[in-house]
Amino acid sequence: DAGVTQSPTHLIKTRGQQVTLRCSPKSGHDTVSWYQQALGQGPQFIFQYYEEEERQRGNFPDRFSGHQFPNYSSELNVNALLLGDSALYLCASSWGTVWEQYFGPGTRLTVT
Amino acid sequence: GESVGLHLPTLSVQEGDNSIINCAYSNSASDYFIWYKQESGKGPQFIIDIRSNMDKRQGQRVTVLLNKTVKHLSLQIAATQPGDSAVYFCAETPRVAGGTSYGKLTFGQGTILTVHP
Repeated sequence: DAGVTQSPTHLIKTRGQQVTLRCSPKSGHDTVSWYQQALGQGPQFIFQYYEEEERQRGNFPDRFSGHQFPNYSSELNVNALLLGDSALYLCASSWGTVWEQYFGPGTRLTVT
Repeated sequence: GESVGLHLPTLSVQEGDNSIINCAYSNSASDYFIWYKQESGKGPQFIIDIRSNMDKRQGQRVTVLLNKTVKHLSLQIAATQPGDSAVYFCAETPRVAGGTSYGKLTFGQGTILTVHP
């Protein structure tokens, strides 16, 4: 049973560019949440997708957007990248309103 | 704003000792608490959780204690092993209207646990 997978593993972008990160949830899960983890910090909630709609959103600007596909996989898009967007981006999946979330290994984004 | 924080940023123990990692939270509406373990280069791994209507929950070698009076959460690891070395995060999610939180987790800063052989 595959767990949560994310791609790519690492990514280097230039300030002002746009980036798309991808996540496939654990088999049987239908809810995907995205988190940003800066170095030495705990993860910060970005948003959550359920039934292809954004259900909850954290305190992140509109430059951060997402999408969920019919197969429950999800994308995180960040526009107009800033140096401060450099972080580990984590995807977590769960089933419905069940609280237990399973995290993927993350995508390390570096903005230069 | 509401936050979840940790008392100690680092903890060093000898193999075989018991470890206790502490966490304070400020959101009185917190309903569900989770401990995660994060090893270098990996995503957080679920360890144990506890609902706000409980004071204690035990798993394999781990125990979580919840004191709602002082808004304090702790993780106890019995017979700590070198493989337990990692960063440990507490996280919480509040109950919202309708009784569902939808799993928006608020994480603390983390405690680095180092286990010496």
